[in-house]
Amino acid sequence: QQQVKQSPQSLIVQKGGISIINCAYENTAFDYFPWYQQFPGKGPALLIAIRPDVSEKKEGRFTISFNKSAKQFSLHIMDSQPGDSATYFCAATPEASGSRLTFGEGTQLTVNP
Amino acid sequence: DGGITQSPKYLFRKEGQNVTLSCEQNLNHDAMYWYRQDPGQGLRLIYYSQIVNDFQKGDIAEGYSVSREKKESFPLTVTSAQKNPTAFYLCASRNSGRAAETQYFGPGTRLLVL
Repeated sequence: QQQVKQSPQSLIVQKGGISIINCAYENTAFDYFPWYQQFPGKGPALLIAIRPDVSEKKEGRFTISFNKSAKQFSLHIMDSQPGDSATYFCAATPEASGSRLTFGEGTQLTVNP
Repeated sequence: DGGITQSPKYLFRKEGQNVTLSCEQNLNHDAMYWYRQDPGQGLRLIYYSQIVNDFQKGDIAEGYSVSREKKESFPLTVTSAQKNPTAFYLCASRNSGRAAETQYFGPGTRLLVL
């Protein structure tokens, strides 16, 4: 079964710190890796995504690092802010699936002021 | 105002009752998806449709049914066969014309059992 393992389950950081969330996958056919941010009672929203032809992608304070040989990818949130407090999901899909996403279990991030 | 709408925001089901969750999109997306989210868990795919009048089972389709009669609409029925329906249900859509185009999610419907 295609799986994406996400850790940690919960994370508490201080304002201004770096938040790091990790994901690992098994299916080598995966070739698109999005991260979603979800606030309580809302639907997930795309935060940032990467394809395996690059090892890193940065958008503002958010960076994805990708290690194809280890089949791992991670989200780094620099200068974390209380407004970043949310649940973060990694996901993966093989292009041929018609974008059928497989999600990680989620990480609940709390940024203390 | 473009996007995905889901209704109702909250829905209560009595034992043995079928209920239908609405999902409408005006993004002109071909593909639509239904996910179930339980506390502390990721999203699990119930059904998806890549084109009108066609849909496929996801990972947890038992106890659910869907229809795709119009491009903009993808309603989900939670049948009485679904013994543990309490969850947050999310609808998503995607422009399948571009490979690996992201999925956009609606605001969700929370289903509770009376």
